[in-house]
Amino acid sequence: EVQLVESGGGLVQPGRSLRLSCAASGFTFDDYAMHWVRQAPGKGLEWVSGISWNSGSTGYADSVRGRFTISRDNAKNSLYLQMNSLRAEDTALYYCAKDMNWNSFKYFDYWGQGTLVTVSS
Amino acid sequence: AIQLTQSPSSLSASVGDRVTITCRASQGISSALAWYQQKPGKAPKLLIYDASSLESGVPSRFSGSGSGTDFTLTISSLQPEDFATYYCQQFNSYLTFGGGTKVEI
Repeated sequence: EVQLVESGGGLVQPGRSLRLSCAASGFTFDDYAMHWVRQAPGKGLEWVSGISWNSGSTGYADSVRGRFTISRDNAKNSLYLQMNSLRAEDTALYYCAKDMNWNSFKYFDYWGQGTLVTVSS
Repeated sequence: AIQLTQSPSSLSASVGDRVTITCRASQGISSALAWYQQKPGKAPKLLIYDASSLESGVPSRFSGSGSGTDFTLTISSLQPEDFATYYCQQFNSYLTFGGGTKVEI
């Protein structure tokens, strides 16, 4: 059974940093691209960032480019999101999601339950 | 970035109804489109990919069609468990989601 378990969310002040983690199990982690998708309270879905199977390719939404960094550790079956210079508008539930594909970014066939990030003073 | 516009933003329907949701892309995306279902407090679930391919385990009452800029998700006979919010998503140019369609009783 595929499982994605996010952690690392919490309350953080504007301008500070936070690192999210996602522990994956139930599938061959290094066979697939992975993503972070967020959802602000009461709002829709927004793709944040993606990373290919071997970290050779990464992508970011315009809203986070230059502030967030995605990475993965295939030996630990883990995905990460380093979030710097956080803003109030980054407040959201952050989902870890598995891609159907290994290299290019396509669709999300499995999702975690999310970790909540609240940016507020 | 490619914009996806869903319509309607919400709709009221009854069990047994045929429901159609539309997603329009700001430029052509071939068949690079998926549909997701999200229930309150839950993560989204993939229903359809490549515009018309049914994800494994998804009931056959769900179907998708379209290519280029205009796409539809159809639920042939709405069931109680189908009341949810539905999102389209494209990957032709980066990854973007539509604004969502809430299906209510």
